[in-house]
Amino acid sequence: DVKVTQSSRYLVKRTGEKVFLECVQDMDHENMFWYRQDPGLGLRLIYFSYDVKMKEKGDIPEGYSVSREKKERFSLILESASTNQTSMYLCASSLSPDSDLPAGELFFGEGSRLTVL
Amino acid sequence: KNEVEQSPQNLTAQEGEFITINCSYSVGISALHWLQQHPGGGIVSLFMLSSGKKKHGRLIATINIQEKHSSLHITASHPRDSAVYICAVRFVRTGNQFYFGTGTSLTVIP
Repeated sequence: DVKVTQSSRYLVKRTGEKVFLECVQDMDHENMFWYRQDPGLGLRLIYFSYDVKMKEKGDIPEGYSVSREKKERFSLILESASTNQTSMYLCASSLSPDSDLPAGELFFGEGSRLTVL
Repeated sequence: KNEVEQSPQNLTAQEGEFITINCSYSVGISALHWLQQHPGGGIVSLFMLSSGKKKHGRLIATINIQEKHSSLHITASHPRDSAVYICAVRFVRTGNQFYFGTGTSLTVIP
């Protein structure tokens, strides 16, 4: 079974703190994603990575950065947390789409619920 | 602009009812996914479709590529089916990224 593991289920931080959210997948997937999920807004892409050290901005990258030093690990960093970053953060991974193979299934972690006070 | 539209947004059904959730999208896709999220839980993948129909237990997913439309059906619904169901697509033109509907919140009453 593919497993995507997020480091923390629940975090409470103070405004201005630096926050690290870690995500590890064990199926050698090229693609990894960070989303945030808010009521009424659905899933919004923050950043994604399609290879080690490669990253692309999603729809809402402001206030976030990412790091992918190893293929299995994709970290989301909030340099200076703010109250509007209180949300559920979801990591996901998939194989890359390839013209010779079916597009890859998407696997999610359990989510990290972050509260910024 | 959200290029993936889901309906209905909310759905309440009596146990045993047949349920349909719809998803439409704007341009050509390489695959469409149906996802399920129980309250307080993570998201799990139910189906990945690029054509035709798939069935798993009481769940059936269909896709009509020409009409750019997919449906998720639940037969003989049960309270444990209560969850948010999310449609996600990978467009041909955008390759790696997934685009999501806003979800359908289903409540099945005993």
